[in-house]
Amino acid sequence: AQTVTQSQPEMSVQEAETVTLSCTYDTSENNYYLFWYKQPPSRQMILVIRQEAYKQQNATENRFSVNFQKAAKSFSLKISDSQLGDTAMYFCAFITNTGNQFYFGTGTSLTVIP
Amino acid sequence: NAGVMQNPRHLVRRRGQEARLRCSPMKGHSHVYWYRQLPEEGLKFMVYLQKENIIDESGMPKERFSAEFPKEGPSILRIQQVVRGDSAAYFCASSPLVGLSGNTIYFGEGSWLTVV
Repeated sequence: AQTVTQSQPEMSVQEAETVTLSCTYDTSENNYYLFWYKQPPSRQMILVIRQEAYKQQNATENRFSVNFQKAAKSFSLKISDSQLGDTAMYFCAFITNTGNQFYFGTGTSLTVIP
Repeated sequence: NAGVMQNPRHLVRRRGQEARLRCSPMKGHSHVYWYRQLPEEGLKFMVYLQKENIIDESGMPKERFSAEFPKEGPSILRIQQVVRGDSAAYFCASSPLVGLSGNTIYFGEGSWLTVV
């Protein structure tokens, strides 16, 4: 079965500080792609960062970076220098090379405190 | 360069009525996906379509729900005889390719269905 688990329903962080959101997943496939999406109060789904499973190097996108541990099937998101605009739901997701659908976790609600 | 366009953004229907949600993919994208987000939950896959073809409908409820992506015009998600449990956000997404290329899918802003 293909599953995504986000074990932190809610988190908060002080503005300018760093926060890490956890994600684990399960798949029997070897080739897949991992994503973090952000859903702000506007409810639009916005891509934050993407990682190819065959790449050992962790993806980085400005203040956002991931810690990808393939053996552990772990894909955490680190947000540095948190900003008020980072307040949102964050969803971890993956798609396999052979699949048609994305599998999403249940999300982590992040609040950045001024 | 318009993104994925969904309409209506908000739709209210009485129990037993029909709901039609429309999605126009990004320019150049020929793959459309529908996802449903129930309150306090993540997105759940419903159906994947290419022009005039349903590729994967494994996430669609067996009754009352249907989807199409005609040669011309937007993709339509149709819910017949709506019930309160259908109240949710319905997201459409599109991509140029899937699978091996691992292309990202781009989401629309969602359509919020409320059944009263």
